[in-house]
Amino acid sequence: DIQMTQSPSTLSASVGDRVTITCRASQSISSWLAWYQQKPGKAPQLLIYKASTLESGVPSRFSGSGSGTDFTLTISSLQPDDFATYYCQQYNSYSPTFGQGTKLEIK
Amino acid sequence: EVQLVESGGGLVQPGGSLRLSCAASGFTFSSYSMNWVRQAPGKGLEWVSYISSSDNTIYYADSVKGRFTISRDNAKNSLYVQMNSLRDEDTAVYYCARGDHSSGWLLDYWGQGTLVTVSS
Repeated sequence: DIQMTQSPSTLSASVGDRVTITCRASQSISSWLAWYQQKPGKAPQLLIYKASTLESGVPSRFSGSGSGTDFTLTISSLQPDDFATYYCQQYNSYSPTFGQGTKLEIK
Repeated sequence: EVQLVESGGGLVQPGGSLRLSCAASGFTFSSYSMNWVRQAPGKGLEWVSYISSSDNTIYYADSVKGRFTISRDNAKNSLYVQMNSLRDEDTAVYYCARGDHSSGWLLDYWGQGTLVTVSS
């Protein structure tokens, strides 16, 4: 299976900050990388797919980049609604795998 | 509006069985692949199983292979997973999730989840 490693595990930031979360795959996955946002007690929601394509309805302050094994999710100016846990997921193979998650906390 | 509603969760003893259901609406269910994904309490997401739109292709995570069986009824717009020989480590919220047209493992819509607790 392809292993996905996110960093950091926890990130403390303030409203208005620019933050970046990284995700590394154990082998190349081309651009078959998605990012999800999950709030407590809720289902994950798709934010970005194919590494950099914003899902419909997702604010433009979210962006993704990368290819191969290294990827990033950037939030350009944090809003109160953005404090949540973020997961990357590779969908290159028939056994999709997720990163362990990054919890974005209010500083 | 796409809606996925899971049901069937509950408390079951180790070694027991449970069948989860997912009722789909708001889209042409028979045209989409579907997945089950689970999340143990306080933990991350784990993909469990995949079924193609016409159920001729099925995959399982190694952790559930031989114990779980995914199925669908396109006439009833429903997805199922039969879980047998349940273990403590199967305790989790189970989500059904729709596979995007471009890739069946890109999960574009999720249900709210149903909690399965395996405990004596």
